[in-house]
Amino acid sequence: AQSVTQLGSHVSVSEGALVLLRCNYSSSVPPYLFWYVQYPNQGLQLLLKYTSAATLVKGINGFEAEFKKSETSFHLTKPSAHMSDAAEYFCAVSDRGGATNKLIFGTGTLLAVQP
Amino acid sequence: DSGVTQTPKHLITATGQRVTLRCSPRSGDLSVYWYQQSLDQGLQFLIQYYNGEERAKGNILERFSAQQFPDLHSELNLSSLELGDSALYFCASSVSGLAGVADTQYFGPGTRLTVL
Repeated sequence: AQSVTQLGSHVSVSEGALVLLRCNYSSSVPPYLFWYVQYPNQGLQLLLKYTSAATLVKGINGFEAEFKKSETSFHLTKPSAHMSDAAEYFCAVSDRGGATNKLIFGTGTLLAVQP
Repeated sequence: DSGVTQTPKHLITATGQRVTLRCSPRSGDLSVYWYQQSLDQGLQFLIQYYNGEERAKGNILERFSAQQFPDLHSELNLSSLELGDSALYFCASSVSGLAGVADTQYFGPGTRLTVL
């Protein structure tokens, strides 16, 4: 069965520092991969998705992620953190060949940005 | 604003009761998904409907049921509620929802259910 692991339930960075949120997937076939962001008391918003075109995917708000098949990873990065980036981030997968494109989510990483 | 609407935003009820959560998908989207977000279980897929028909089931309890109507809005019915059903329930929609398609799922703001 597909699964996704997010290392680090809490990550704290200083404003202007690099943001790195880790995501590893478990699948025999590279799945579709997504990063969503959830601001307090809001729904989830798509940051970016990997569908097998380019391995480096650029998303909204300056975020990007690189698909590395050899490492089964899809880590999310942003060169310079802003206070408004404080939120919870979820990595998710969906199966390419399954019966449904339901999303399987990781446990989330809460990002804090210190002034 | 994702274009997905959910009502009500908050729901407080007692154990043993039944509630109905409503979701209206984005205009043009045929697929609706329901997810549950709780502290102990995280974000879990419950069920998916595509153009009125059930497409996939996840970890949905037998006490829970859903349907999608001809106008494509969906309702999630939760009955014989227990304390552990307290959670945030999200609805999402996508254009096709077909297997093997990397549709973007657009999420509504959620309904927060509190069972006392």
